[in-house]
Amino acid sequence: DTEVTQTPKHLVMGMTNKKSLKCEQHMGHRAMYWYKQKAKKPPELMFVYSYEKLSINESVPSRFSPECPNSSLLNLHLHALQPEDSALYLCASSQDHPSNYYGYTFGSGTRLTVV
Amino acid sequence: AQSVTQLDSQVPVFEEAPVELRCNYSSSVSVYLFWYVQYPNQGLQLLLKYLSGSTLVKGINGFEAEFNKSQTSFHLRKPSVHISDTAEYFCAVRGGNEKLTFGTGTRLTIIP
Repeated sequence: DTEVTQTPKHLVMGMTNKKSLKCEQHMGHRAMYWYKQKAKKPPELMFVYSYEKLSINESVPSRFSPECPNSSLLNLHLHALQPEDSALYLCASSQDHPSNYYGYTFGSGTRLTVV
Repeated sequence: AQSVTQLDSQVPVFEEAPVELRCNYSSSVSVYLFWYVQYPNQGLQLLLKYLSGSTLVKGINGFEAEFNKSQTSFHLRKPSVHISDTAEYFCAVRGGNEKLTFGTGTRLTIIP
């Protein structure tokens, strides 16, 4: 299995809703990442988990809450989002961090729309 | 600190013509360099990477790139493009213990 699987593929939520994005990989990678990508822009790093511990938080607002229950799973909990948070949310994994020799494997993303 | 510059935001190319997408980087340490492709409504797929060794790197879908340390460049090339190559292409750099840094992307449009 050489994939990163993200669910759901599309999500529409209201500003008062609570929802979660899920990411799963079975490649034995020990680093996992959340990126946010706005239209026609490159991905922006949000969080890095290394060996299931939060390694990097790129000053992301607290309405985004990451969780890494085990080495294969990564969640992003969403609460009280704003319309400007609408974007493509990408999950990625790599063998290690920061000794990332092999590059990242990205999932297909969750297209989030906040209404 | 490190950075990546993709000077061309859009590149239109006729089908079966060659293409070069330009990427320049800056870093104070040795770097790893990557090209990713993003098809519409999809995630990023790794095309190729330079880690060390031969400066000419071959990737998937007939793409190749050449690492030029003196010019701090890592341009992506394909000798003959196909309609299916229409996508956004991102150059990325990682040096030392830095995080992966992406360029702003180049939209490749293939004209039939």
